[in-house]
Amino acid sequence: GQQLNQSPQSMFIQEGEDVSMNCTSSSIFNTWLWYKQDPGEGPVLLIALYKAGELTSNGRLTAQFGITRKDSFLNISASIPSDVGIYFCAGFYSGGGADGLTFGKGTHLIIQP
Amino acid sequence: GAGVSQSPRYKVAKRGQDVALRCDPISGHVSLFWYQQALGQGPEFLTYFQNEAQLDKSGLPSDRFFAERPEGSVSTLKIQRTQQEDSAVYLCASSTGTGVTGELFFGEGSRLTVL
Repeated sequence: GQQLNQSPQSMFIQEGEDVSMNCTSSSIFNTWLWYKQDPGEGPVLLIALYKAGELTSNGRLTAQFGITRKDSFLNISASIPSDVGIYFCAGFYSGGGADGLTFGKGTHLIIQP
Repeated sequence: GAGVSQSPRYKVAKRGQDVALRCDPISGHVSLFWYQQALGQGPEFLTYFQNEAQLDKSGLPSDRFFAERPEGSVSTLKIQRTQQEDSAVYLCASSTGTGVTGELFFGEGSRLTVL
């Protein structure tokens, strides 16, 4: 299947700092999605992007669908303690069927007091 | 219920035992997915249902894995003769509509530990 490279693997930041993480692929996607997973919970959808170049915000979160359709980034501004968790990018290729949704390995965000 | 519900939340099995994991999707959601999430990894696709029809089971790792959704709502993932490598969190997700878009509502998962 398709491989997604998500980086960084983990981030240790201070409360109030901005956060940036990204995802790259060797293949193109029609849709990029960003999910957050808290410990012991399932992933929750944060942002979905459908067009190359699209920039979408959801509160303090901003994500972009790369022009080449092979990458996406997620920024979090002014981090707060509840932002702690694992962030997964996911790429979807509509021609791939149900197994066309591929997840990255996650970025583990840790906020130091 | 309001969200996707999975049970049991935790299951410990001895190697060779059979296990059954249940998923109750959001009411009215046509599409249902099962994913396997190993420690430190992202979810990996196992199988997909549209109503009661299993349209894709290409991600099931072996013939020991079997899933069903007989009435188009509740689904069960069954693993026969469990092995240690089956230890993982099994996530169920549902979505509206018949198409696959990537916008999924996940349950809390069932954590399986095989000793």
